[in-house]
Amino acid sequence: SYEVTQPPSVSVSPGQTATISCSADKLGHKFTSWYQQRPGQPPLLVIYRNDERPSGISERFSGSNSGNTATLTISGAQAMDEADYHCQAWDANTLVFGGGTKLTVL
Amino acid sequence: QVHLVQSGPEVKKSGASVRVSCQASGYPFSSYDINWIRQASGQGLEWIGWMNPHSGNTGYAQRFQGRVTMIRNTSISTAYMELSRLTSDDSAVYYCARGLNSGAFFGYWGQGTLVNVSS
Repeated sequence: SYEVTQPPSVSVSPGQTATISCSADKLGHKFTSWYQQRPGQPPLLVIYRNDERPSGISERFSGSNSGNTATLTISGAQAMDEADYHCQAWDANTLVFGGGTKLTVL
Repeated sequence: QVHLVQSGPEVKKSGASVRVSCQASGYPFSSYDINWIRQASGQGLEWIGWMNPHSGNTGYAQRFQGRVTMIRNTSISTAYMELSRLTSDDSAVYYCARGLNSGAFFGYWGQGTLVNVSS
C-alpha cells in the first residue's frame, strides 16, 4: 500500500515561517492537498492540487510538491495556526492521508 | 451554502453493524461524490471510500472491502455508510465529505459522528 509520512510535530515562533513536509514515493507525480484541523473540529481544506488555495484561506498558506516531498508553508505564523495538519494524496484509486503533524506556535 | 449534516453518536457492541447518515443541502446532491473518512481518538485521518450519488457507484479502501456499504436516498439528499462486524478498532469519529469541485479534495465536511464500539 502507498504510505505517506509526516513528522509528528513541528514548532515555530510567532511571526516566523513554518514548514510541514509530507513524503512518499514519487509524490511529486500526484496532486497533494492539505487540511488544518483544530481540536473537536472537522478538517479544513487549506491547499489543494499542490499549491492552490480555496477561497477564504489566508495567503500565508502556500504549498509545493516535487520529487518525493510535498511541503506546506505557513508564513508569519500566528497563535491561531496552532493545529494538526494532514496531507492527502491519491494513488491507484485509493486516497491516502499522512499521519498528521501537530504544529505548535510558541 | 453547502451543508452536510450527520446523524448522532452511536454506541455498539462488538460484532454489530452501524449506519451513519449524511444529509446534504445547498447544492445538487447527485452532482458530487460523497466520501467517508474516519479518525480514531488522537490519530490521523483514514479514508473509507466514496460513492457517486447519481449512479450509486462506489469505491472502497481495500481494508474495508466486504465490511462497508455506501448507499444513498436521492429523494432526501442523504448518503449512508454502513460498517459491519464492528470491533473496538472501529471506534472513531466518522466524517462524510464532499469535494470542493470536481477533484478528490474535500472542501466540505460533515460535523462528524462518534461511533463507540464496546465489547
